[in-house]
Amino acid sequence: DVKVTQSSRYLVKRTGEKVFLECVQDMDHENMFWYRQDPGLGLRLIYFSYDVKMKEKGDIPEGYSVSREKKERFSLILESASTNQTSMYLCASSWPGQGYTEAFFGQGTRLTVV
Amino acid sequence: AQSVSQHNHHVILSEAASLELGCNYSYGGTVNLFWYVQYPGQHLQLLLKYFSGDPLVKGIKGFEAEFIKSKFSFNLRKPSVQWSDTAEYFCAVYVNRDDKIIFGKGTRLHILP
Repeated sequence: DVKVTQSSRYLVKRTGEKVFLECVQDMDHENMFWYRQDPGLGLRLIYFSYDVKMKEKGDIPEGYSVSREKKERFSLILESASTNQTSMYLCASSWPGQGYTEAFFGQGTRLTVV
Repeated sequence: AQSVSQHNHHVILSEAASLELGCNYSYGGTVNLFWYVQYPGQHLQLLLKYFSGDPLVKGIKGFEAEFIKSKFSFNLRKPSVQWSDTAEYFCAVYVNRDDKIIFGKGTRLHILP
């Protein structure tokens, strides 16, 4: 069974804080993704990575950065948290290329910035 | 830019009614197509997927979807819904060229008992 684990289910942070969201997968997947989920907006891709130390911007990268030092771990960093970053953050992983590209999701981290 | 459109944002049905949720995508190249479901309080899970071959795919819990390439569509169907199908449904497209997965905005399905 594929497992994608996000380090926290709930986080409350103050405006201006640097925030780290951690994600670990145990299926040796090359691809990893960070999305944010907001009501009425669906899932929007923030960043993704298709290999260690590689990263690509998604649709809404502003205010975020990522780190992938090991294949199984993909971290999302909010450099200076703001209230408009209050959201549900979802991490996912998948195989690359044609076929078998379905994404497996973690439970999500609900981040509140006050 | 690639996009995924789900036509219905909120659908309310009675039990035993038939369901069809629309999904269209804008990318013209090779794609893989998915429907994901998120039950209240749970994480996203795969409902069904299309990679190639038979355009009519069957998923879990009696759901099916039909890929119509000419219409860039991948609509989700179920002949008779149950109260337990109450959830949010997301259509998604894997764009081979960009190696990323794009999601629609989701459809909230509410089944009345």
